[in-house]
Amino acid sequence: NAGVMQNPRHLVRRRGQEARLRCSPMKGHSHVYWYRQLPEEGLKFMVYLQKENIIDESGMPKERFSAEFPKEGPSILRIQQVVRGDSAAYFCASSTRGSDTQYFGPGTRLTVL
Amino acid sequence: AQSVAQPEDQVNVAEGNPLTVKCTYSVSGNPYLFWYVQYPNRGLQFLLKYITGDNLVKGSYGFEAEFNKSQTSFHLKKPSALVSDSALYFCAVSENTGFQKLVFGTGTRLLVSP
Repeated sequence: NAGVMQNPRHLVRRRGQEARLRCSPMKGHSHVYWYRQLPEEGLKFMVYLQKENIIDESGMPKERFSAEFPKEGPSILRIQQVVRGDSAAYFCASSTRGSDTQYFGPGTRLTVL
Repeated sequence: AQSVAQPEDQVNVAEGNPLTVKCTYSVSGNPYLFWYVQYPNRGLQFLLKYITGDNLVKGSYGFEAEFNKSQTSFHLKKPSALVSDSALYFCAVSENTGFQKLVFGTGTRLLVSP
């Protein structure tokens, strides 16, 4: 059973470009969570999604950031017009319905030049 | 609001000695507590959790943690450390209203010397 998949593992963007981060949950998991880890800090919750629904986006910056989890395909975290402060590791986690345990992917390390 | 404190940035221990990584939490309801480990350039791996029941929880790789409600603590322990245990350890909490949002501590780096 493959774990949570994230791609790309490393992403370099110049200021003003768009970044798209993908997350494929574990097989059978219908809940996806995105977290951001800034250098030397713990993970911060960004958004919680189920298929075609955003359940909790209380941790998402108000502008430039969006997330989706379509009926088919991976979950996407999109960052428009990236700035240097967006440089971080972005982790996706997934769980089954009603499960208390989230399983994490390897992360995407975004570097904004 | 929920919060987690990991008071030690780094813990140093010799191989074969017992280790403890400290975690205290604050929630308004019943806490659900988790420990994860992160190896360099890797994602977080789940170690163990406390939801309800026995205060001593056993997890992966010989780790265990003790839930102490009066001290609001959930310290991670292992009787005999291995060099391969060297990694970054995160404590996390969510409230019993749902598991949607994990609140993480800042992490403790464990260094096990040969």
